[in-house]
Amino acid sequence: AAGVIQSPRHLIKEKRETATLKCYPIPRHDTVYWYQQGPGQDPQFLISFYEKMQSDKGSIPDRFSAQQFSDYHSELNMSSLELGDSALYFCASSLGRTTIQETQYFGPGTRLLVL
Amino acid sequence: GIQVEQSPPDLILQEGANSTLRCNFSDSVNNLQWFHQNPWGQLINLFYIPSGTKQNGRLSATTVATERYSLLYISSSQTTDSGVYFCAVSSGWGGATNKLIFGTGTLLAVQP
Repeated sequence: AAGVIQSPRHLIKEKRETATLKCYPIPRHDTVYWYQQGPGQDPQFLISFYEKMQSDKGSIPDRFSAQQFSDYHSELNMSSLELGDSALYFCASSLGRTTIQETQYFGPGTRLLVL
Repeated sequence: GIQVEQSPPDLILQEGANSTLRCNFSDSVNNLQWFHQNPWGQLINLFYIPSGTKQNGRLSATTVATERYSLLYISSSQTTDSGVYFCAVSSGWGGATNKLIFGTGTLLAVQP
């Protein structure tokens, strides 16, 4: 079965640089979530999209932005990178039905290292 | 917001032993998922279990929604079971806002 695809899998950047992370959800999934997991921490919700509209926002820095495109893939753009942005970034997808909850399926993650 | 607590924080087992991991949550939920994060960082979906009982091989889970807890049972543990087990919950409805709130995890080490 198809899974969530994230690219790149690893990324090394210098401070103050920009980075773009991409997420391709499971086919027919219309909802995408982004989570950030710092070293030794649990994953923290950043932002989500449902049918290409932002549906919820967590503790996402103003330096970060994201969008979901017409083909439902999503991109997380990070600018003015800081050392503290070094983390594992997960994308998850689900079917955003209106009456029931659906399982969120997680991608393999993008490991970002800021030097 | 909803609080999620997991216990124990750490667990060391000998191969072949059984274990029970617990997840307590502070409010009603309509999504509860158990994950295994392996040493390479991948989050593997174990169960979607907002209520009831499910089994998958050596793993099973039970959620008692009215008492706001869930249990993950691992039987006949193997070294490949090592890693961090996360419980995550959501109390949103529909497609609008179903963000998962993660517990702090249980670090499991299975020794040969």
